[in-house]
Amino acid sequence: DVKVTQSSRYLVKRTGEKVFLECVQDMDHENMFWYRQDPGLGLRLIYFSYDVKMKEKGDIPEGYSVSREKKERFSLILESASTNQTSMYLCASSKRGGASTDTQYFGPGTRLTVL
Amino acid sequence: GQQLNQSPQSMFIQEGEDVSMNCTSSSIFNTWLWYKQEPGEGPVLLIALYKAGELTSNGRLTAQFGITRKDSFLNISASIPSDVGIYFCAGGRWGSSNTGKLIFGQGTTLQVKP
Repeated sequence: DVKVTQSSRYLVKRTGEKVFLECVQDMDHENMFWYRQDPGLGLRLIYFSYDVKMKEKGDIPEGYSVSREKKERFSLILESASTNQTSMYLCASSKRGGASTDTQYFGPGTRLTVL
Repeated sequence: GQQLNQSPQSMFIQEGEDVSMNCTSSSIFNTWLWYKQEPGEGPVLLIALYKAGELTSNGRLTAQFGITRKDSFLNISASIPSDVGIYFCAGGRWGSSNTGKLIFGQGTTLQVKP
């Protein structure tokens, strides 16, 4: 079974703090994704990575950065957290190659609150 | 970003009833996926469809990849209270894009009355 884990289920941070969200997958997947999910706005792609040290901007990258130093780990960084970054953050991964490229598996999510 | 048209937005049904929801798009996809998300959790993959016309079942769930490649539907038969959640469709374009990026529907919220 594919397993995607996220470092925290719930996180409370203060405005201006630097925040790290960690995601680890155990299925040797090349592709990894970070989304945020807000009521009425659905799932929005922040960044994705298709290989170690590779990253590409998604639809809403402003205020975020990412790091992929190892294949199994993809980190989302909020350089200076703001209240409008309060959200549910979801990590996902997929295996590159054929139709499995599109088959994303999600982690349990991190509910981040910025005060 | 682009989103798929998913309907209905919400459903409130009696236990035992069948449920049907669908997703449509103006453009074609090579993959259709259906996910379920329970409150406070991440989406869980229910069914993946990779071929136009494909009909796939997973227990009481059945999903189909539309012949035009622009739509998909999900049916749940004999609903039970644990079917409660938000169901998302997603479309992918592997083959024309190798990034694995998906386009998501807005979700169908399902509530089941015991």
